[in-house]
Amino acid sequence: KQEVTQIPAALSVPEGENLVLNCSFTDSAIYNLQWFRQDPGKGLTSLLLIQSSQREQTSGRLNASLDKSSGRSTLYIAASQPGDSATYLCAVRSLSGANSKLTFGKGITLSVRP
Amino acid sequence: GAGVSQSPRYKVAKRGQDVALRCDPISGHVSLFWYQQALGQGPEFLTYFQNEAQLDKSGLPSDRFFAERPEGSVSTLKIQRTQQEDSAVYLCASSPGGQGTIYFGEGSWLTVV
Repeated sequence: KQEVTQIPAALSVPEGENLVLNCSFTDSAIYNLQWFRQDPGKGLTSLLLIQSSQREQTSGRLNASLDKSSGRSTLYIAASQPGDSATYLCAVRSLSGANSKLTFGKGITLSVRP
Repeated sequence: GAGVSQSPRYKVAKRGQDVALRCDPISGHVSLFWYQQALGQGPEFLTYFQNEAQLDKSGLPSDRFFAERPEGSVSTLKIQRTQQEDSAVYLCASSPGGQGTIYFGEGSWLTVV
């Protein structure tokens, strides 16, 4: 059974700092990995999708890497801003019977202090 | 529509009441997922549809939970005889099929009192 872990559960940094959010998963047989952002009281917004054959994806100040063999992904946020404050969730898509469902971590709640 | 739409956004139900939660996926999306998210937790898989076929319902917590997608577009998640432990956000997601990006709605927030 796939398990996804995100540590720490919460992180507080000063504005402008570069930071790395970590994600680990137990089963390396995945199709892809997706990073989401969730604001309080809101749904999930997709940030980046990395296919299993890829090593990284970039979008603006965000860069996500994937090391499938070691079961790890990182989300790098450059020059953090108060508007980046949210919960960041990592999810892996594994094959399970006829379904390739997402398995989520519990998320990392990020607070960027002005 | 432009995104995944869910209704109602907020529902307060008395224990024992039946509720129905609706999901309008992105037009043309083949795959539809339902997830349950408890406070402070990551979303947990409930069920998956490919068009109108429910291919996986392994995550439904009990036989009080039922989902359908009769015409392969709109889906309804029904919870019968609600219990307090059913209080959570119910998230619907859709994707074009294959292994592409999955898009989530804003969720339906259910509180059972």
